[in-house]
Amino acid sequence: DVKVTQSSRYLVKRTGEKVFLECVQDMDHENMFWYRQDPGLGLRLIYFSYDVKMKEKGDIPEGYSVSREKKERFSLILESASTNQTSMYLCASRSTYNSPLHFGNGTRLTVT
Amino acid sequence: SQQGEEDPQALSIQEGENATMNCSYKTSINNLQWYRQNSGRGLVHLILIRSNEREKHSGRLRVTLDTSKKSSSLLITASRAADTASYFCATGPGNTPLVFGKGTRLSVIA
Repeated sequence: DVKVTQSSRYLVKRTGEKVFLECVQDMDHENMFWYRQDPGLGLRLIYFSYDVKMKEKGDIPEGYSVSREKKERFSLILESASTNQTSMYLCASRSTYNSPLHFGNGTRLTVT
Repeated sequence: SQQGEEDPQALSIQEGENATMNCSYKTSINNLQWYRQNSGRGLVHLILIRSNEREKHSGRLRVTLDTSKKSSSLLITASRAADTASYFCATGPGNTPLVFGKGTRLSVIA
């Protein structure tokens, strides 16, 4: 079974801090994604990557950056955390566009 | 950009009844997928239906796809309390990231 592991389930950070959210998948998937989920807004795509060292902006990239130095790891970086980045962050991976997404359990980030 | 929209937003049924959720989308698709999310957890893939398929079954799940109407439905038969969750449809054209709807919250009352 594919496993997507997010490093933290819950995280509390202060405004202005640099925050790293880590995601690792164990199935050699090419594609990896970061979504955020907020009540009433559903899932929104932040960034995605189709290959190592490759990244593409999603619908809401402002205030975020990503890193994919190795195929199995896709990191989301909040350069300077703000309260409006309080959210549930979901990482996902897939092998091709015609295959299902596999999600991690999510990181609930609170920025105070 | 919202691709899929689920309907209804919330659904409450008794155990043993069937639950039907609908999804409408806007652009051409390669496939349409349904996911389930238990409260506070990640999403779990349920079923994928390709654009050239009209119906697909998996256990108590039945998915239909009507590309002429740009719509899909998910039927859960003989619902159980454990089916209580949010259900999302997701799709997108070509080799693009999936875009999700806002989901249907299903409550199955024992």
